Amino acid sequence: DTEVTQTPKHLVMGMTNKKSLKCEQHMGHRAMYWYKQKAKKPPELMFVYSYEKLSINESVPSRFSPECPNSSLLNLHLHALQPEDSALYLCASSQPSGTAINSPLHFGNGTRLTVT
Amino acid sequence: EDQVTQSPEALRLQEGESSSLNCSYTVSGLRGLFWYRQDPGKGPEFLFTLYSAGEEKEKERLKATLTKKESFLHITAPKPEDSATYLCAVRSNTGNQFYFGTGTSLTVIP
Repeated sequence: DTEVTQTPKHLVMGMTNKKSLKCEQHMGHRAMYWYKQKAKKPPELMFVYSYEKLSINESVPSRFSPECPNSSLLNLHLHALQPEDSALYLCASSQPSGTAINSPLHFGNGTRLTVT
Repeated sequence: EDQVTQSPEALRLQEGESSSLNCSYTVSGLRGLFWYRQDPGKGPEFLFTLYSAGEEKEKERLKATLTKKESFLHITAPKPEDSATYLCAVRSNTGNQFYFGTGTSLTVIP
């Protein structure tokens, strides 16, 4: 069982819809991540929050809007997506740089998003 | 520039046929090298952390080793349930980023 929980597991949305992906971690980590993964490719970093502040945005289009309400929760708000945004969206957590050395990423099982 | 390269891209083994996966890296100050297993449609599952050259970690049929330039994931007498994609990632001392290799897709044939 993963200690990083993502909901929903599957999501189908039209290009005009607004939806949100949710992530919760119970590992006491203070860094949280959103990754996008296409088939047969490695995870691609989108956003990093460290101590609830956005620390990395990998030039992600504004139709993706992250939010970190507290140290355990991470949301990804979706609006006006394109079919090419269909992918597996992964949430992960870790200890921030400068605290625990060697802290790995721990992933949730992802949300499979299909944009029609 | 921090970079991770994995080889081979794909590997097919007979059940019981041992082999190794390679992860080569260049990083400005290693803060950890990590191995993950990923099954289709699931998130990557953390396997090992390696930090110091010469370090080794083991779990069941898997053994990970680290040098200053590369890491190996040795699979001894694999079983079909070991079939998955194995990802390698490194963390540098420049911040919260992790750099992933492109993975090795392992298939173990009964």
